[in-house]
Amino acid sequence: GAGVSQSPRYKVAKRGQDVALRCDPISGHVSLFWYQQALGQGPEFLTYFQNEAQLDKSGLPSDRFFAERPEGSVSTLKIQRTQQEDSAVYLCASRTSGSNGELFFGEGSRLTVL
Amino acid sequence: GESVGLHLPTLSVQEGDNSIINCAYSNSASDYFIWYKQESGKGPQFIIDIRSNMDKRQGQRVTVLLNKTVKHLSLQIAATQPGDSAVYFCAEGYNFNKFYFGSGTKLNVKP
Repeated sequence: GAGVSQSPRYKVAKRGQDVALRCDPISGHVSLFWYQQALGQGPEFLTYFQNEAQLDKSGLPSDRFFAERPEGSVSTLKIQRTQQEDSAVYLCASRTSGSNGELFFGEGSRLTVL
Repeated sequence: GESVGLHLPTLSVQEGDNSIINCAYSNSASDYFIWYKQESGKGPQFIIDIRSNMDKRQGQRVTVLLNKTVKHLSLQIAATQPGDSAVYFCAEGYNFNKFYFGSGTKLNVKP
């Protein structure tokens, strides 16, 4: 499809497991963002890439969270040693270059840590 | 982090009425503001944006107003329809990076 694609849509992990969430942005979009959305809350910024460069990772809650975008297209958000408080929907968004700030969001990956 | 909040967590309106959703932001350096709509189980969807050098912008059935003096943003939806029922978020950003979202307002449209 032409939109932002995220996988898996749903992930259940046992506490302590590592998880990897994938984002496939819109083709040609330079910027890619990861957000965390807890139930009933607005999305919280995690990190931002421009092409393959991670320009801002100030929102990552701990060093258990790691994101990469090695070839400037697909991105992976990895969470090591998951904890219950990591349960949330992880949203990926992409944006084209230029002066339009519109973010195109995927449908998210819902992570449940038991 | 930045603070973007909403005055009303839920709003119920009658179909056909106009809706107004409000938002307060805290960073006077923010130069770009966006309203998003999020339906259950989906990602946020762009509605309308406005830059800090403007105070009003209109789209199809929607209008965004920006008052920089009091750091207030509002979204007006004309002739609200059942399909408008969703959670609405405002977001602020600087230089199109690192957008901060509010906690959302749920809009219920009664037929």
